[in-house]
Amino acid sequence: QSVLTQPPSASGTPGQRVTISCSGSSSNIGSNPVNWYQQLPGTAPKILIYSNNQRPSGVPDRFSGSKSGTSASLAISGLQSEDEADYYCAAWDDSLNGGVFGTGTKVTVL
Amino acid sequence: EVQLVESGGGLVQSGGSLRLSCTVSGFPLSSHSMNWVRQAPGKGLEWISYISVSSSTIYVDSVKGRFTISRDNAKNSLYLQMNSLRAEDTAVYYCARVSGGDRTRFDPWGQGTLVTVSS
Repeated sequence: QSVLTQPPSASGTPGQRVTISCSGSSSNIGSNPVNWYQQLPGTAPKILIYSNNQRPSGVPDRFSGSKSGTSASLAISGLQSEDEADYYCAAWDDSLNGGVFGTGTKVTVL
Repeated sequence: EVQLVESGGGLVQSGGSLRLSCTVSGFPLSSHSMNWVRQAPGKGLEWISYISVSSSTIYVDSVKGRFTISRDNAKNSLYLQMNSLRAEDTAVYYCARVSGGDRTRFDPWGQGTLVTVSS
């Protein structure tokens, strides 16, 4: 079972801003960095944001991440059709001594 | 180019065994910790195992005692030995490199290999 909670879905029209939340606890998000992954249909996940708010080279600056306490957020500004995908947050959990993923959020571009 | 390629998936009966391999190229395996992550059909991602550069290992509770992660740096290969397989182990299995010091900063991922356990 997933330890990090995300909304199952989010949507917006092209150009809009969409935000995805990731809620955890003091043993995971509260004490470790958060990473975000994008999984396009039928493909392997790809890292989108690391260390809460860092973008790997090649990731558009439309994607941004933030963290506060035991929650994190991913924002997509200027939504584009190619952003339709599943998005997952992840962090290490010190109590479980293992990695944990969020429940996943499916983003739909209307 | 950094690349990870999984192999070894397939159809196996409940209670059977399977060994997955992940062959890496474009970087020295010896310099990186590695993970296995799985995704059941239509479901989300689940982290299942981690191995450090010194070969210390960690597992999710649901696979402890049944799965074993290992590495052969000379062969640039990561392995996952899966025993006593159950229907709920049916999933696409991905290997992923740890990038930087954060154990859940998975970059990059392999393309995945499908394991189907029939009951």
